[in-house]
Amino acid sequence: GQQLNQSPQSMFIQEGEDVSMNCTSSSIFNTWLWYKQDPGEGPVLLIALYKAGELTSNGRLTAQFGITRKDSFLNISASIPSDVGIYFCAGLYNTDKLIFGTGTRLQVFP
Amino acid sequence: ETGVTQTPRHLVMGMTNKKSLKCEQHLGHNAMYWYKQSAKKPLELMFVYSLEERVENNSVPSRFSPECPNSSHLFLHLHTLQPEDSALYLCASSRRVNSYEQYFGPGTRLTVT
Repeated sequence: GQQLNQSPQSMFIQEGEDVSMNCTSSSIFNTWLWYKQDPGEGPVLLIALYKAGELTSNGRLTAQFGITRKDSFLNISASIPSDVGIYFCAGLYNTDKLIFGTGTRLQVFP
Repeated sequence: ETGVTQTPRHLVMGMTNKKSLKCEQHLGHNAMYWYKQSAKKPLELMFVYSLEERVENNSVPSRFSPECPNSSHLFLHLHTLQPEDSALYLCASSRRVNSYEQYFGPGTRLTVT
């Protein structure tokens, strides 16, 4: 079936650093989504992308829908301690199947 | 209370027990979902309900039995579980079925001993 590969699996960074993570697939997706899951909580939607090439920002977060429609990137600028959590990509396949990636675990050290 | 709530937050049960997980959404949504989240695996969609009718069952073993009495409440009845069923069980809701904008509850951390 469809699969989303996220990398890296985990990141350990210093406060203030920029962060980049990505999500790739062998299948074409119609929509790309990025969620964040805080420890002990459910995922929260951060950014949704609808068109190939689209670049969307939400505060310090910027995400892009890859031109091939098979990948997406999430960047976090000037990281802060509350950025800690697991970041999931999700793709909408055939307009009705939401497929989740395995997540990137982010740790931010002061 | 707002958003999606789940009870209990933590549950430890033996393999012969019967227990139920509860989810309630206060968002006026028409669709509700159960997901299983295991360590180092993607979120696995288990069940989808639209207006109290089950529209999807992703090959989930019969020891998991969902119930949706109305559009605001969703239950997951558990019986004779296995240790590998230990996971975080997340409930979500959305305005319509399979909408990408799904709102998640905090989850129930289940441990099967």
